[in-house]
Amino acid sequence: DTGVSQDPRHKITKRGQNVTFRCDPISEHNRLYWYRQTLGQGPEFLTYFQNEAQLEKSRLLSDRFSAERPKGSFSTLEIQRTEQGDSAMYLCASSLKAGPISYNEQFFGPGTRLTVL
Amino acid sequence: KQEVTQIPAALSVPEGENLVLNCSFTDSAIYNLQWFRQDPGKGLTSLLLIQSSQREQTSGRLNASLDKSSGRSTLYIAASQPGDSATYLCAVRNYIKGGGADGLTFGKGTHLIIQP
Repeated sequence: DTGVSQDPRHKITKRGQNVTFRCDPISEHNRLYWYRQTLGQGPEFLTYFQNEAQLEKSRLLSDRFSAERPKGSFSTLEIQRTEQGDSAMYLCASSLKAGPISYNEQFFGPGTRLTVL
Repeated sequence: KQEVTQIPAALSVPEGENLVLNCSFTDSAIYNLQWFRQDPGKGLTSLLLIQSSQREQTSGRLNASLDKSSGRSTLYIAASQPGDSATYLCAVRNYIKGGGADGLTFGKGTHLIIQP
């Protein structure tokens, strides 16, 4: 399968614990995005990387959230001291930026569903 | 701040009907608009991508149009089938003056049920 993959698919944790999610983009894609989706809502943009550089962060990304993409391939999203309000589906997407103007189509992974008890 | 609205929020129609889903956005400065399908508990599947310079895109029974100046897009589904039942999401990629890029801004989706 050459699509975007995410691990784990489900995570249940207790309030106050730290969790880390992984995303593997489509292999030739240089852009990687993280989104969060709560029940009944559309996904909300959190952050994105071009290669290993984190170029944009939403105001939704509080200090407890950190994302990395150390080698420009896979990415991790860590949430420290989880709160019940962090319960959501965390979606990863990737795209290819080629040339000065980006028309990139974003392709999404299956998501990681986080439940904070 | 860009806002995306989708109407209707839910729609239930008999199999075989043609239907139209609507999407509107407040800021016309966009790079492109993308329509997605989401099945319950799953990720998003990209259906169609329309560049800001384009008026429409077609894929099989799906046709999406874009009127950037009025901030509207429609997704037309022909000859609907029960397998089309899903939530359909519209998203725009915003243009930032002076360069730079932005993540997608999504609507809340239209929950579609096609009755057999």
